[in-house]
Amino acid sequence: EPEVTQTPSHQVTQMGQEVILRCVPISNHLYFYWYRQILGQKVEFLVSFYNNEISEKSEIFDDQFSVERPDGSNFTLKIRSTKLEDSAMYFCASSERPAGNTGELFFGEGSRLTVL
Amino acid sequence: GQSLEQPSEVTAVEGAIVQINCTYQTSGFYGLSWYQQHDGGAPTFLSYNGLDGLEETGRFSSFLSRSDSYGYLLLQELQMKDSASYFCAVRSSYKLIFGSGTRLLVRP
Repeated sequence: EPEVTQTPSHQVTQMGQEVILRCVPISNHLYFYWYRQILGQKVEFLVSFYNNEISEKSEIFDDQFSVERPDGSNFTLKIRSTKLEDSAMYFCASSERPAGNTGELFFGEGSRLTVL
Repeated sequence: GQSLEQPSEVTAVEGAIVQINCTYQTSGFYGLSWYQQHDGGAPTFLSYNGLDGLEETGRFSSFLSRSDSYGYLLLQELQMKDSASYFCAVRSSYKLIFGSGTRLLVRP
């Protein structure tokens, strides 16, 4: 069964460093998303991406963040100059249609980011 | 903006039925989704209601009333493995917005 894969599963970084989180969406999906979840809290929308550009972004997704689809398969989230409060689980998701059309997004297993 | 309200925690006994409610406020409503998340795991899609009424998928059912801005997830014949967090979510433009989640604890 096709799945969304994310790497790394866990990354520890020092405050102020840059991190890149990688995702391989399901191959025939056209819409891509990043969400984050601080431990014990809700899943928060960061950004959606379609046709090689950002469709929508949240207030959280400020200049510190960027996304890129560098080739036909990868979808990356870059966090520049990480802060302690960036520590969270970051989930990549994909869908065939916008927001799943029927509300179904396919999530990866997440990348846990720990900023020290 | 959008807001979704869910109970923070529900406890039920194995074999019982439990209902998790969700009320929402949003502009441009398309439908209500439900996701399950086990500790340390990814959210996984359970069901979607685009129209009023009940949708049934095995032991899980979901209901929507658009006029009341309300929906619920019904879990029947509870099993220990159903212990997880359950999130309702609404579609808004190019994204899903998730509620704060309901932690379900199933006791033997």
